[in-house]
Amino acid sequence: KAGVTQTPRYLIKTRGQQVTLSCSPISGHRSVSWYQQTPGQGLQFLFEYFSETQRNKGNFPGRFSGRQFSNSRSEMNVSTLELGDSALYLCASSWGFGTSQGYTFGSGTRLTVV
Amino acid sequence: GESVGLHLPTLSVQEGDNSIINCAYSNSASDYFIWYKQESGKGPQFIIDIRSNMDKRQGQRVTVLLNKTVKHLSLQIAATQPGDSAVYFCAENRDSNSGYALNFGKGTSLLVTP
Repeated sequence: KAGVTQTPRYLIKTRGQQVTLSCSPISGHRSVSWYQQTPGQGLQFLFEYFSETQRNKGNFPGRFSGRQFSNSRSEMNVSTLELGDSALYLCASSWGFGTSQGYTFGSGTRLTVV
Repeated sequence: GESVGLHLPTLSVQEGDNSIINCAYSNSASDYFIWYKQESGKGPQFIIDIRSNMDKRQGQRVTVLLNKTVKHLSLQIAATQPGDSAVYFCAENRDSNSGYALNFGKGTSLLVTP
């Protein structure tokens, strides 16, 4: 059974650019959540999607957005990149909405903004 | 504000000893707590969870204790092995009006020495 797949694994972008990260959940999982991990702030919740709808959102600026497709795959987008956006972006999937039981994380996308 | 925090940022133990990792939380409304292990280059991996109606839960070599009176959570690892070396996070399931989001602590780095 394949796990949560995140692509790409590593990314280097320049300030001001925009970036799109992809997450394929475990087969059958319908909920996808995104987290940002940095040494200073730790793991912080970005948003959660279920059935193509954003159900919950963390305290991040509007430059951070996401979407979910009908096959439950999700993408997150960061526009007008800032140096502080450099982080490990983690995606987690679970079978249902509103539960962290069965949360499975991917290995993340390491974004470096220069 | 509400937060989940860890008492110690690093913990060094000898192989074979028992490890105890502590976590404090401040939201008395939290009803679900999870411990994750994160190895270098990987996403967080579920270890064990506990609901607020329980005081103790045991897994394979791991035990989680919950003290709601002082809002404290601990993870005990028996007979610690080199493969247990990782960063350990506690997380609380914090309900929001429209869904759930995990609120993570900063993490404790566990180093197992031979």
